[in-house]
Amino acid sequence: QKEVEQDPGPLSVPEGAIVSLNCTYSNSAFQYFMWYRQYSRKGPELLMYTYSSGNKEDGRFTAQVDKSSKYISLFIRDSQPSDSATYLCAMRLDFGNEKLTFGTGTRLTIIP
Amino acid sequence: DGGIIQSPKYLFRKEGQNVTLSCEQNLNHDAMYWYRQDPGQGLRLIYYSQIVNDFQKGDIAEGYSVSREKKESFPLTVTSAQKNPTAFYLCASKSTTTNEKLFFGSGTQLSVL
Repeated sequence: QKEVEQDPGPLSVPEGAIVSLNCTYSNSAFQYFMWYRQYSRKGPELLMYTYSSGNKEDGRFTAQVDKSSKYISLFIRDSQPSDSATYLCAMRLDFGNEKLTFGTGTRLTIIP
Repeated sequence: DGGIIQSPKYLFRKEGQNVTLSCEQNLNHDAMYWYRQDPGQGLRLIYYSQIVNDFQKGDIAEGYSVSREKKESFPLTVTSAQKNPTAFYLCASKSTTTNEKLFFGSGTQLSVL
């Protein structure tokens, strides 16, 4: 069993829809949770960074962490064609720990 | 423009050959990383370096080597001992004092001839 599980998709939704992306994990010691966006053949870029449980909002993006269920989510409101990309979740045990554990990524397409 | 430059964008390796992937950053970051990305798998850490002249193995270091002679540069050599080198290689850097944000380069696709 992988430490971090992420549905690879592909996921296609119409423009303007709310998108929900999810990851589950098995190691309850993870404390820091991240979402990266990766366009085709480019490097990932950090979208959201959260510590422990709770919600964090940034514009159209909301990251949610439920440590009791070992489940994290990324919501995209008013989705745009420019949101079409692969979304990777990542997590870290503690601050300063160099090892990030990544999910496999979910490929998302927003249909105009 | 500040950022991370990886070169080349595409690289081909012949059997038994060593190849070196370049990574240069002008962000004045102390820490630099090499990740490998394969289809259906998450990014996996190959090597990382937090200061000049020092580096540590990641999860999949076998068949790879690195050097960190300058703060700006962290080249990765894929040796002939790496039997399955075909992958997308990503270099990243991070400030060790300000925040946790990793900055990635645009990657190098390595293929075997």
